[in-house]
Amino acid sequence: GAGVSQSPSNKVTEKGKDVELRCDPISGHTALYWYRQSLGQGLEFLIYFQGNSAPDKSGLPSDRFSAERTGGSVSTLTIQRTQQEDSAVYLCASSLEGQPNEKLFFGSGTQLSVL
Amino acid sequence: AQSVTQLGSHVSVSEGALVLLRCNYSSSVPPYLFWYVQYPNQGLQLLLKYTTGATLVKGINGFEAEFKKSETSFHLTKPSAHMSDAAEYFCAVSDTGNQFYFGTGTSLTVIP
Repeated sequence: GAGVSQSPSNKVTEKGKDVELRCDPISGHTALYWYRQSLGQGLEFLIYFQGNSAPDKSGLPSDRFSAERTGGSVSTLTIQRTQQEDSAVYLCASSLEGQPNEKLFFGSGTQLSVL
Repeated sequence: AQSVTQLGSHVSVSEGALVLLRCNYSSSVPPYLFWYVQYPNQGLQLLLKYTTGATLVKGINGFEAEFKKSETSFHLTKPSAHMSDAAEYFCAVSDTGNQFYFGTGTSLTVIP
């Protein structure tokens, strides 16, 4: 596609349920990033993929959070047993090679609301 | 770890006035510096970046920023604000690793 695509754009779930968030990066981009954006908190780094490997999982807030990437393309962020504090906008970004001087291309995000 | 501080979570300027959004960073190595803008209901998009070379960087929509190593700053400016500049602005820094560290953002309001 022309840009980074995220789905769903909005997700409302009940506390304790599992959710899956999807990110489809720009074709050919090898690096993929997940961030969480909360009000007044800026962007919180969650995880980074280079190809299908995740060399940096340091930002995942708990073992309820996991992510995978298949075929060097689509990535899924899974949150198990959701809690109200998981409510936030989850942003995905991709870059061509994963170099620190590269531009990140962001999707429009998934707004997650946990009731 | 790197950190980014954006002074002022909300900034208001009159249309036609100077825009100044402040960003300071902490880094033990020469950093790469970025400004991203987020318009309502849209993803973040790059305004400008500093990697090497000239310390005054020009970006899209008339914005520019100057890397000042002695002050560890990368403030964003625009000589004359336009209504369409109303958005959330994020400063970010990266180094030789693969993480990008973002500030908490500054919401810019332009008053007609």
